[in-house]
Amino acid sequence: DAKTTQPNSMESNEEEPVHLPCNHSTISGTDYIHWYRQLPSQGPEYVIHGLTSNVNNRMASLAIAEDRKSSTLILHRATLRDAAVYYCILRDMKTSYDKVIFGPGTSLSVIP
Amino acid sequence: SQTIHQWPATLVQPVGSPLSLECTVEGTSNPNLYWYRQAAGRGLQLLFYSVGIGQISSEVPQNLSASRPQDRQFILSSKKLLLSDSGFYLCAWSVMDRIAKNIQYFGAGTRLSVL
Repeated sequence: DAKTTQPNSMESNEEEPVHLPCNHSTISGTDYIHWYRQLPSQGPEYVIHGLTSNVNNRMASLAIAEDRKSSTLILHRATLRDAAVYYCILRDMKTSYDKVIFGPGTSLSVIP
Repeated sequence: SQTIHQWPATLVQPVGSPLSLECTVEGTSNPNLYWYRQAAGRGLQLLFYSVGIGQISSEVPQNLSASRPQDRQFILSSKKLLLSDSGFYLCAWSVMDRIAKNIQYFGAGTRLSVL
């Protein structure tokens, strides 16, 4: 899997939008962009994924740059329950084996 | 629907004792299975992954081993635990196809304390 880089930590005020960036300059044409989040003392959970077009679901939106070298996870209104570590990873749909590496992620703090 | 079971939730073991953590998946066939470890305040470290029965790839040389005796069963073991084996152990599964998009689903984790 190609490498991603994210800021170590970010802060947001409650009920404000949050934009979590991820750089993946070595992304290949067959890499999907996946986002997961890990709440304290829990396993990570899937948030959203995309390939080229922007994506929306009930949890978040994913904005993908036109050159696909970066992406942004958008939480439209941060709540205290959104305080978590957010991981951006790339998944190659073409590989025959399945090695998945999570980086340190971004620790999001939400201020009441 | 698919579910993943991981147990026990917490475990306290003395140094030098053996370890066996079990993970089972229901509702899917031929999943890819993973074991991760997370030290306190740190990121996820991939320990083992498996793409089929009896097929185990090790990412980190250490005193841990993994086995996949059945399609949906993944076991993490150690003959003699070290203090450094303490951590939060997570099992995960995924299906690698264009519909499932290789999304990973994680268990609730086992918090292991080696004393």
